[in-house]
Amino acid sequence: GQSLEQPSEVTAVEGAIVQINCTYQTSGFYGLSWYQQHDGGAPTFLSYNALDGLEETGRFSSFLSRSDSYGYLLLQELQMKDSASYFCAVKDQAGTALIFGKGTTLSVSS
Amino acid sequence: DAGVIQSPRHEVTEMGQEVTLRCKPISGHDYLFWYRQTMMRGLELLIYFNNNVPIDDSGMPEDRFSAKMPNASFSTLKIQPSEPRDSAVYFCASTPASGSRNEQFFGPGTRLTVL
Repeated sequence: GQSLEQPSEVTAVEGAIVQINCTYQTSGFYGLSWYQQHDGGAPTFLSYNALDGLEETGRFSSFLSRSDSYGYLLLQELQMKDSASYFCAVKDQAGTALIFGKGTTLSVSS
Repeated sequence: DAGVIQSPRHEVTEMGQEVTLRCKPISGHDYLFWYRQTMMRGLELLIYFNNNVPIDDSGMPEDRFSAKMPNASFSTLKIQPSEPRDSAVYFCASTPASGSRNEQFFGPGTRLTVL
């Protein structure tokens, strides 16, 4: 089956850079996704990596190494509004539904 | 588009009662997913549909849980009878078949409390 590991909590200060790692084990691989969820809100899509390398979207970047079954989300110039939970996700064995990691709670302080 | 719509947003019920959660996916999306989120278990996939047909219900925890999608615009998740351990936030999500970014669009969720 599919499983993912990511740290449970990360803390940082405004303006800093933080990296959230994710390792996965899958039967079949269809890419690694990242979602953000603010407290009380719904998960929202951040990024998707199907191939090795870095994808950049504004202050957020996501990296994938398929040979290492590893990826990370990089958040730069942290702002208070970035305080949220971040989930990595892979598709199920059928390549359709998402299987989520347990999430990393990021706390940004001033 | 209004996005994925879920109702009710909050539901408080007593153990043993029937609970029905509702979802309207984004128009034109072919897939609909039901997830449950708790602190202990995280975000779990319960069941998903493709063109109104249930494809994988292996995540449905017990026979007390059932889901239907009678048409492309509506799905329900029913719990009968409900138990306190069913307390969670239930999310519905949809995605188009042609999407290339693995992006699922989530509704706001239904926070269920079973007393």
